[in-house]
Amino acid sequence: GQSLEQPSEVTAVEGAIVQINCTYQTSGFYGLSWYQQHDGGAPTFLSYNALDGLEETGRFSSFLSRSDSYGYLLLQELQMKDSASYFCAHGSSNTGKLIFGQGTTLQVKP
Amino acid sequence: DTAVSQTPKYLVTQMGNDKSIKCEQNLGHDTMYWYKQDSKKFLKIMFSYNNKELIINETVPNRFSPKSPDKAHLNLHINSLELGDSAVYFCASSQAYRVAGELFFGEGSRLTVL
Repeated sequence: GQSLEQPSEVTAVEGAIVQINCTYQTSGFYGLSWYQQHDGGAPTFLSYNALDGLEETGRFSSFLSRSDSYGYLLLQELQMKDSASYFCAHGSSNTGKLIFGQGTTLQVKP
Repeated sequence: DTAVSQTPKYLVTQMGNDKSIKCEQNLGHDTMYWYKQDSKKFLKIMFSYNNKELIINETVPNRFSPKSPDKAHLNLHINSLELGDSAVYFCASSQAYRVAGELFFGEGSRLTVL
């Protein structure tokens, strides 16, 4: 089957670094994406890894290891506004279909 | 200027009624989607259309009928609403359906069935 596993909740303090892990099972792999969703808002795209390695975008970085079926999102210099749900998602076919993980709720405390 | 807009934002209705949600994107994208997010925040794809052609139909009950009059619009009509249909429905678009990276989501339509 196709599935993604990520922790349900993570708590960290302002200014800290947090890593949200994602492991996946899929019969076909078309990249790993990360989305952020604030309460009541729309999911917004953060990053996409098609190949192994680290992609950095400002305070956020995303890592992929296809041999381990594993990726993570790294958030640095945490701010209160980073409190949100974070979803990993993989493309499961060449039809553009994204399968989402169940989301990780990040709570940033002062 | 909103990239992906959907209306209405909120719908409250009785079981058995029929309702529609409209979606429009002004990004010039070829592919549009409907996703359902349940109370546990699980996001599940329902349909996708590429240039008005149905690409994905994710075993959704046939009470749900998408319609794409042109590639900038994808509407969702739901017949005979059930309690379990209560959810937030998100429309999304992407540049092309073979690109599984970035989706642009609308703000969501929260459907409550009483």
